[in-house]
Amino acid sequence: DTAVSQTPKYLVTQMGNDKSIKCEQNLGHDTMYWYKQDSKKFLKIMFSYNNKELIINETVPNRFSPKSPDKAHLNLHINSLELGDSAVYFCASSQDRLAAYEQYFGPGTRLTVT
Amino acid sequence: GQSLEQPSEVTAVEGAIVQINCTYQTSGFYGLSWYQQHDGGAPTFLSYNALDGLEETGRFSSFLSRSDSYGYLLLQELQMKDSASYFCAVRDRTSYDKVIFGPGTSLSVIP
Repeated sequence: DTAVSQTPKYLVTQMGNDKSIKCEQNLGHDTMYWYKQDSKKFLKIMFSYNNKELIINETVPNRFSPKSPDKAHLNLHINSLELGDSAVYFCASSQDRLAAYEQYFGPGTRLTVT
Repeated sequence: GQSLEQPSEVTAVEGAIVQINCTYQTSGFYGLSWYQQHDGGAPTFLSYNALDGLEETGRFSSFLSRSDSYGYLLLQELQMKDSASYFCAVRDRTSYDKVIFGPGTSLSVIP
């Protein structure tokens, strides 16, 4: 069984469009994350939720809005997509906030904005 | 703030031993994690050191020296499948346990 899943795996869209990425974990973890990995492989945290509560909100454009309907799901909605948003977006989870040192990552969503 | 440094690339021969270093600067250090990422894949957790010393897990070992703000990942009996990127990461306890990843080290294992 897949522990952390994301959909879609690939997303190709045009500038100005709005898109969403969905993430689900079946590990029973309390904490979930969104990361952005750029072309140089820098892995940077964007958001973190703990039991549906937003606890980390990095300096990300407000075009990015996370939503956690329950602690097993964390979605990412992006408005007015820009070329610079092209990257791989990873969802991850950890048992809880204190276990953030051990995170389980989803397969990633490769977003290409044209 | 937090910063981590790793070599950008390392090349080693199949069957050999390789060490990937990580130095960090942090205001609230808990411990050092290591992740492996193959091209096109997701990061996978390898190890975590909260205390000084060496932790061994099969062919992989990880070391931490808190006084030197330094750690390394040691890979023994290298196999071609070990070719991947390796990231060290620290948890910032001053910022809701946010995890900061290093820039990554690309390991190439050659025959």
